[in-house]
Amino acid sequence: KNEVEQSPQNLTAQEGEFITINCSYSVGISALHWLQQHPGGGIVSLFMLSSGKKKHGRLIATINIQEKHSSLHITASHPRDSAVYICAATGNQFYFGTGTSLTVIP
Amino acid sequence: GAVVSQHPSWVICKSGTSVKIECRSLDFQATTMFWYRQFPKQSLMLMATSNEGSKATYEQGVEKDKFLINHASLTLSTLTVTSAHPEDSSFYICSARGGTGGSGYTFGSGTRLTVV
Repeated sequence: KNEVEQSPQNLTAQEGEFITINCSYSVGISALHWLQQHPGGGIVSLFMLSSGKKKHGRLIATINIQEKHSSLHITASHPRDSAVYICAATGNQFYFGTGTSLTVIP
Repeated sequence: GAVVSQHPSWVICKSGTSVKIECRSLDFQATTMFWYRQFPKQSLMLMATSNEGSKATYEQGVEKDKFLINHASLTLSTLTVTSAHPEDSSFYICSARGGTGGSGYTFGSGTRLTVV
């Protein structure tokens, strides 16, 4: 079992839909990261959370420390949001989820 | 915003040769640099962590004599894949702690290495 589990693995949505990607972890962490990887491979760091909720534009990330669970929400999704979203936990080391491949259809 | 410039973006080399990948922080000082590898359809795997002026810390299973990391300045870290073999073919990417990324980490654009 991976220390960090993401769901779903693949997600297809219509433009404008509200999207949720989930991340559960089983280890003690100091922070939880959400990363966005585009088809060419480049990675953008979206959020780092240790508690509560953060918002940046149409992206919202939440974390529940007690339940060891985090979610990434995308409001009013757009085709340019199509990418792989990776959850990563940092504690004594980095633990990466396997990613969620999101495709937003116009 | 903060930028980490990674070069080359792709490289093809023959088995047995060495390949150097560079990551430069362009507008901030990167005291810590992380090197990752990603195989197709898999997530990132942390290979090593380097701090400026000191030896890198390698993750379990990563050969330090094969993957040489140098972090000689606050703006430059290099990864050299020595005596490359086809199984070293992968996507290599660096990230630096610092800059203005959403999580305080800024990633390079990655290097796709193909060993033939």
